[in-house]
Amino acid sequence: KQEVTQIPAALSVPEGENLVLNCSFTDSAIYNLQWFRQDPGKGLTSLLLIQSSQREQTSGRLNASLDKSSGRSTLYIAASQPGDSATYLCAVNPYNQGGKLIFGQGTELSVKP
Amino acid sequence: DTAVSQTPKYLVTQMGNDKSIKCEQNLGHDTMYWYKQDSKKFLKIMFSYNNKELIINETVPNRFSPKSPDKAHLNLHINSLELGDSAVYFCASSPSRGWNQPQHFGDGTRLSIL
Repeated sequence: KQEVTQIPAALSVPEGENLVLNCSFTDSAIYNLQWFRQDPGKGLTSLLLIQSSQREQTSGRLNASLDKSSGRSTLYIAASQPGDSATYLCAVNPYNQGGKLIFGQGTELSVKP
Repeated sequence: DTAVSQTPKYLVTQMGNDKSIKCEQNLGHDTMYWYKQDSKKFLKIMFSYNNKELIINETVPNRFSPKSPDKAHLNLHINSLELGDSAVYFCASSPSRGWNQPQHFGDGTRLSIL
């Protein structure tokens, strides 16, 4: 059974720091892995999708890596800003399961000015 | 020009009532999903439809009945609401089961059972 774990559960950093959020999954049979951002009281915004054949994806200050064999992904945020404060969710799309996403419990990030 | 829209945004009701949540997407996607986010913020799949056909039913009580009148709409009807149904319900969509495309989420419906 696929399980997704995110560490740490919460993180507080001063503005300007580079930071790494971690995601691990137990079954490497996945089509892709997605990172989402959730602001309080809002829905999920897709940040990056890494296909199983890819090693990393970049979008602006965000870089996500995927090591399928070890069941790990990281989300690197460069030069963090207070506007980056949100909950970051990692989700995997397992093989032959109709496209459903299995989520981790998220990392709540606070960037202090 | 909202991509995935849900109504209502908030729903407060008494235990035992029946309620519906509506979802519409204007992205032209074939697949739609319902997820439940509990009080600990954990998101879990409930249902998925592809071109109006049910493809995922994830061990959800049969008090929950999804309906897809067309591929742009996926509604969720809940009978005999219980306290444990209090949660945020998210609708999402993706092209063709989203194997390599991101899922797009609505803003959620916050359901509170009194």
